[in-house]
Amino acid sequence: KNEVEQSPQNLTAQEGEFITINCSYSVGISALHWLQQHPGGGIVSLFMLSSGKKKHGRLIATINIQEKHSSLHITASHPRDSAVYICAPTGNQFYFGTGTSLTVIP
Amino acid sequence: GAVVSQHPSWVICKSGTSVKIECRSLDFQATTMFWYRQFPKQSLMLMATSNEGSKATYEQGVEKDKFLINHASLTLSTLTVTSAHPEDSSFYICSASRGTGSSGSPLHFGNGTRLTVT
Repeated sequence: KNEVEQSPQNLTAQEGEFITINCSYSVGISALHWLQQHPGGGIVSLFMLSSGKKKHGRLIATINIQEKHSSLHITASHPRDSAVYICAPTGNQFYFGTGTSLTVIP
Repeated sequence: GAVVSQHPSWVICKSGTSVKIECRSLDFQATTMFWYRQFPKQSLMLMATSNEGSKATYEQGVEKDKFLINHASLTLSTLTVTSAHPEDSSFYICSASRGTGSSGSPLHFGNGTRLTVT
């Protein structure tokens, strides 16, 4: 059984579309990270959150601890948002989702 | 701020040789550094957690004698792949944190090292 389920696995969107990536987990956590991995492999930490909602530019992350669910939203998507997005709940250890591969078409 | 430099970005080595990968936090003190590997089309897999001045904690299934980790200072951790074999070919990534363990402190990632063992 996977401790972390991400959906969708792959997503193609038109530039400007609103995008949502979901992450459900089954373990107890203290925080959840959303990571962005570009085609070259480099990883950027987008958010770390333990409750509620955070916003950074066009990116919004929410988490519902009771429901063990987090979402990453991208407003007004752009081709440069094309990347793999990984959720990583953490508690006593790290867990990693399998990632959502996003392609934004101009 | 919070820049992590990983070197080399790619390396090709012959089977049986050892390869050292460095991970440096350039502008902050990293109490904890993490090493991951990633196979093509797969997600990250945590290999080990290292705290400055103490032995690394390895995840289940990761051979500590094969993947030697040294965290000698608050700004440098190294991963040495000893007696490398073709199956060790992978993408290795480090991340650094000001906090301890998986405490929920922000993570800062290196750009990764692509290792190819021939």
